[in-house]
Parts: sequence; structure tokens; C-alpha cells
Amino acid sequence: TQLLEQSPQFLSIQEGENLTVYCNSSSVFSSLQWYRQEPGEGPVLLVTVVTGGEVKKLKRLTFQFGDARKDSSLHITAAQPGDTGLYLCAVKTSYDKVIFGPGTSLSVIP
Amino acid sequence: DAMVIQNPRYQVTQFGKPVTLSCSQTLNHNVMYWYQQKSSQAPKLLFHYYDKDFNNEADTPDNFQSRRPNTSFCFLDIRSPGLGDAAMYLCATSRQGSSPLHFGNGTRLTVT
Repeated sequence: TQLLEQSPQFLSIQEGENLTVYCNSSSVFSSLQWYRQEPGEGPVLLVTVVTGGEVKKLKRLTFQFGDARKDSSLHITAAQPGDTGLYLCAVKTSYDKVIFGPGTSLSVIP
Repeated sequence: DAMVIQNPRYQVTQFGKPVTLSCSQTLNHNVMYWYQQKSSQAPKLLFHYYDKDFNNEADTPDNFQSRRPNTSFCFLDIRSPGLGDAAMYLCATSRQGSSPLHFGNGTRLTVT
């Protein structure tokens, strides 16, 4: 069983649409991170959420950490082709080990 | 700019021929990671160094080994690459605690 689950696995939408991707676990975490990865490059941090119930906004991206700190969501408003990529949630466990969820592959069609 | 650098960007090796991938950092982070990423999958942790302590994942094959001679450098050795080892190999660094990972651009390994 995976520590983190993400849904959906794949998402293809038209430019201008809204979308939400989810990251879920049965474990409680002190923090959770979201990364975006473009083809041929390493993942790049989008945000770290720390407090249960926390909401963070990054331009058209809204991140929420669940009250129980077991899950998180990423909402994108008015998606653009530049949002295309692999979205990964990740958590640090003991000894700073970092585990990634399986990812959501997003394709935004112009 | 402080960064994580991986060399080479592309590596081709023959089946069974040892290969070494390298990673260097100018961030002075004390935690370093090696991940394997196959097409359309998430990065899979192979091992990481928590300061000088080496942590090997239970499912990392014995074929994979790592060295960290100092804070700035880390190497991934694949002793006898198989076709299934073809992948993107990502190096990352982090400070301790909730600090995020900083990734290099990876080395894409092809095994012929």
C-alpha cells in the first residue's frame, strides 16, 4: 500500500477550465508539499502546507491542507497550457525521508 | 545561483557495464537524495543521506550503491545495469526539517 494516494491519475482539460487534484493518506503529517514537474526536468516546489485547515494561494493555484493533516487538495482556476505537467504531493517522514504520491498528470489543451 | 547539478545529463551504457552518475550542490544542505523515475511515474526513493548517515530503502536493489565523500558531492553507482534500470535519475537536497527538496535536472540513463 502506498503512503500517499493521488487522484485523478490523468486529467486532460480545455484552457480556461477549473480543476482540483487530491492527495490522501491514512497517516497524519506535520507538513505536506506540492511539486510540479515538467518533462525532462526535476520537480519544482509549489508550496508547503503545515497547519491543519490551512489554505494557501499562489496566483491561480489554491492549496488546502485537511483539518486532520491527512489530506490535501490543489485547485487551479482558469487553467492555461503552461499549467501542463505532473503534479506531485510529498511528505517527509522519519530522518527526513521524502516520499512522493503517484502524481497527477495534467494536460491543458489550448 | 545556488543549485543542484547533475552530470551527465544523458548517459548511455551497455548491459552489465558499471556506470556512475554524479551530483553536486552549492546549497550546503546536509540531506541528499537519489530518486529513480520511470516514464509517467512518480520519483521512487533509492536512498538518502541524513547528514553522514546513509539510509537505504528496503526495496532498492543491491545493484545500486551510493557514495557521499563530502557535503557537496554524491554519487550513484550501478554495478551491473540491466534493461530495467533505464530511467531518469534525480538527485535532490534539503535542509533538515520541513524544508523542501531542491532537485537537479536529472540524468537520463539508457541501457543498450
